[in-house]
Amino acid sequence: LAKTTQPISMDSYEGQEVNITCSHNNIATNDYITWYQQFPSQGPRFIIQGYKTKVTNEVASLFIPADRKSSTLSLPRVSLSDTAVYYCLVDAGGTSYGKLTFGQGTILTVHP
Amino acid sequence: GAVVSQHPSWVICKSGTSVKIECRSLDFQATTMFWYRQFPKQSLMLMATSNEGSKATYEQGVEKDKFLINHASLTLSTLTVTSAHPEDSSFYICSARDPASLGALHFGNGTRLTVT
Repeated sequence: LAKTTQPISMDSYEGQEVNITCSHNNIATNDYITWYQQFPSQGPRFIIQGYKTKVTNEVASLFIPADRKSSTLSLPRVSLSDTAVYYCLVDAGGTSYGKLTFGQGTILTVHP
Repeated sequence: GAVVSQHPSWVICKSGTSVKIECRSLDFQATTMFWYRQFPKQSLMLMATSNEGSKATYEQGVEKDKFLINHASLTLSTLTVTSAHPEDSSFYICSARDPASLGALHFGNGTRLTVT
């Protein structure tokens, strides 16, 4: 499984755009990149998934450069409720039903 | 979207007793489910992979006789913490891959276990 590296923590203010970058230098050809959000005492929640270039949904965008060795989760105009831990994971997803192990994640704190 | 339901959301038990936690995939079939454990301010630690109709696969260091996993159907996996002790107090989370969304994991809301 490809290892991931993320910043341990980030701070932002309400209304700002937040970009969290994840490094995954050993990503395999079949691997997808998936981001999850976790609030205290809750299970992680799926945010977005991508393979290459850019993916956008109603809550976030995911930017993946051509070499796929990193990815950036972009949260537009964050609010206090976006304060959470964000995890980046890479794995083969639907092509392989292998286990998924989590890294340390990024603690995002949004200030008023 | 895919929903994974976990029950109970919290449980308090006495030392030496056993506790069962259920994990259900509500709108999809899951041949594989995963059980995680999370201590305060730490990341999720994979405990075991639950396989429908066969034995679970445990991660190194996880006692299979203490954490009994049963995956009797395509929508239900259970984790039983046997002879619980205070050090087993933790947040237990199950998950399953959704075949409809490139195998992305969907998680239950977790079970807070407190052993007194």
